[in-house]
Amino acid sequence: DIVMTQSPDSLALSLGERATINCKSSQSVLYSSNNENYLAWYQQKPGQPPKLLIYWASTRESGVPDRFSGSGSGTDFTLTISSLQAEDVAVYYCQQYYSTPPTFGGGTKVEIK
Amino acid sequence: QVQLVQSGAEVKKPGSSVKVSCKASGGTFSNFAISWVRQAPGQGLEWMGGIIPIFGTANYAQKVQGRATITTDESTNTAYMNLNSLRTDDTAIYYCARTVVLVGATLGWFDPWGQGTLVTVSS
Repeated sequence: DIVMTQSPDSLALSLGERATINCKSSQSVLYSSNNENYLAWYQQKPGQPPKLLIYWASTRESGVPDRFSGSGSGTDFTLTISSLQAEDVAVYYCQQYYSTPPTFGGGTKVEIK
Repeated sequence: QVQLVQSGAEVKKPGSSVKVSCKASGGTFSNFAISWVRQAPGQGLEWMGGIIPIFGTANYAQKVQGRATITTDESTNTAYMNLNSLRTDDTAIYYCARTVVLVGATLGWFDPWGQGTLVTVSS
């Protein structure tokens, strides 16, 4: 199974600051035949199910604010919140879908300082 | 916009079985898969298995292989997850999620998710 490792486990920032969440896979999730990275990002607010933010590592889901962006390739990926808002308090997960079973990172908790 | 509505919370004894349902409203499962993902209290997300209804075959995570059965009823747009021989460490919120099917029948990302069903296993 591909192991997904996220860092940091948590971060606390002031409103308007930039949040950076890292995700590393134990093997490349870049599929050479289509040059796509098989990686998604989710946001989970307390008491709610996860919500899809980004797929193909950098494609924003419809309706997701443009302050959320995804980047990276191969084994190293980043989710960036350009200007942290109060409603962004949540746990964020990365997920690879390159191979079965799909696997998730351990999550990064984002809080307001 | 499809919504997934799951059945209610369950309390079970160790060794028993549980069946959780997931009904799609405002859409169908057509051309998608349905996966089940669970989340133990205060923990992360764990994929349990998935089914592509048009193929009818399911894949399972090794951890629940032989104990879990995922099925769908396309006439009612409902998916089911049955888990046997329950253990206390099966206590979790169980989510269904519509899953994109990629080339080669590979499971992709999960969207949307059901609201979750808490299954508590306790003697």
